[in-house]
Amino acid sequence: GQSLEQPSEVTAVEGAIVQINCTYQTSGFYGLSWYQQHDGGAPTFLSYNGLDGLEETGRFSSFLSRSDSYGYLLLQELQMKDSASYFCAVGGNFNKFYFGSGTKLNVKP
Amino acid sequence: DADVTQTPRNRITKTGKRIMLECSQTKGHDRMYWYRQDPGLGLRLIYYSFDVKDINKGEISDGYSVSRQAQAKFSLSLESAIPNQTALYFCATSAQKAGVYTGELFFGEGSRLTVL
Repeated sequence: GQSLEQPSEVTAVEGAIVQINCTYQTSGFYGLSWYQQHDGGAPTFLSYNGLDGLEETGRFSSFLSRSDSYGYLLLQELQMKDSASYFCAVGGNFNKFYFGSGTKLNVKP
Repeated sequence: DADVTQTPRNRITKTGKRIMLECSQTKGHDRMYWYRQDPGLGLRLIYYSFDVKDINKGEISDGYSVSRQAQAKFSLSLESAIPNQTALYFCATSAQKAGVYTGELFFGEGSRLTVL
């Protein structure tokens, strides 16, 4: 089966840097994706790591270590609009995607 | 217009009723998925389909059925709704680019279902 662990809630101040960790256990692992979801909205794709290392997209970066079954999402220069839930998701056999339970990020002024 | 469209967006029904949630997409993707979201549980995979003739069960398929009427349409049915199926349901699509796995799902705006 699959299991993903991420913190349930994180609080940070505007302008700060925050890291959201994700550890996983899965069969047929292809890669790790990250999604953002605002209250009442649909999840939107942020990044994908198919290989070990760091991927950077603007203020957001994502990291993967396959040997440690671990990844993280790094958000820099936090803004109020970054307040949302963040989900890690593993891609497994046959393009199946399994999601973690989400991390609620609260950004305070 | 949204690339992945779900109808209805909100539905209240009674226990025992049959309900269908519909999803259509204009992205031309071959892969379509139905997820269920409950507070604190993230998104759980109900069914997925890689083409019209290929439909597969996900983590929580009991009590649900699906139909892939065309490449662009994927419907989820609750044959006899029960209160613990009250949830937010999302349809999603994905595709490979030049045979490469992209890791990206495109979600519809969700269908909120309440079963009384």
